[in-house]
Amino acid sequence: QQQVKQSPQSLIVQKGGISIINCAYENTAFDYFPWYQQFPGKGPALLIAIRPDVSEKKEGRFTISFNKSAKQFSLHIMDSQPGDSATYFCAALYGGSQGNLIFGKGTKLSVKP
Amino acid sequence: GAGVSQSPSNKVTEKGKDVELRCDPISGHTALYWYRQSLGQGLEFLIYFQGNSAPDKSGLPSDRFSAERTGGSVSTLTIQRTQQEDSAVYLCASSSSRQVRQFFGPGTRLTVL
Repeated sequence: QQQVKQSPQSLIVQKGGISIINCAYENTAFDYFPWYQQFPGKGPALLIAIRPDVSEKKEGRFTISFNKSAKQFSLHIMDSQPGDSATYFCAALYGGSQGNLIFGKGTKLSVKP
Repeated sequence: GAGVSQSPSNKVTEKGKDVELRCDPISGHTALYWYRQSLGQGLEFLIYFQGNSAPDKSGLPSDRFSAERTGGSVSTLTIQRTQQEDSAVYLCASSSSRQVRQFFGPGTRLTVL
């Protein structure tokens, strides 16, 4: 119940294409869903996040789609660029003071020029 | 400081030795987290501090792992009698309150020979 399942494990996209990464969860107590981007040798950095009362959030080329009934959420990267090549992690946070971020296992994205 | 800093950036040790990893959070951030990132895995939660106290130590994998935080700022993660399976990147993050954005440091890569 504490898991966040992320797919695919790796993804290769041509420059200008759309990258789509999917995550699924079981625990309906999760109430905050961030996506983190990690470049080699660096710590993860928050990319975009959504709360379950919203079905979609867009920031520039990055969009989170959230399906509360299906307990799934996804990251869409429009017009993917070689500079987007990184590992992406979805995560979910409990509500309440005892919660923690539960991370998916990551998706390694390669955008080919 | 400008961001979360961690030291050392790399640590190579022999099996059975003790190691100390340090985290300097963003100034004023009250919450501090330690995670472990193993090759091909997501981020595994280890421990969370609010101020100097650790309300959630549930992720520490064994009693060889301990952590402390002093002055509501610097934290050290200590691994005693290191084992080869402890080899991983240890990431620290901080946030200004319990349920908002976590800012990650660059991590310490620990290699146990």
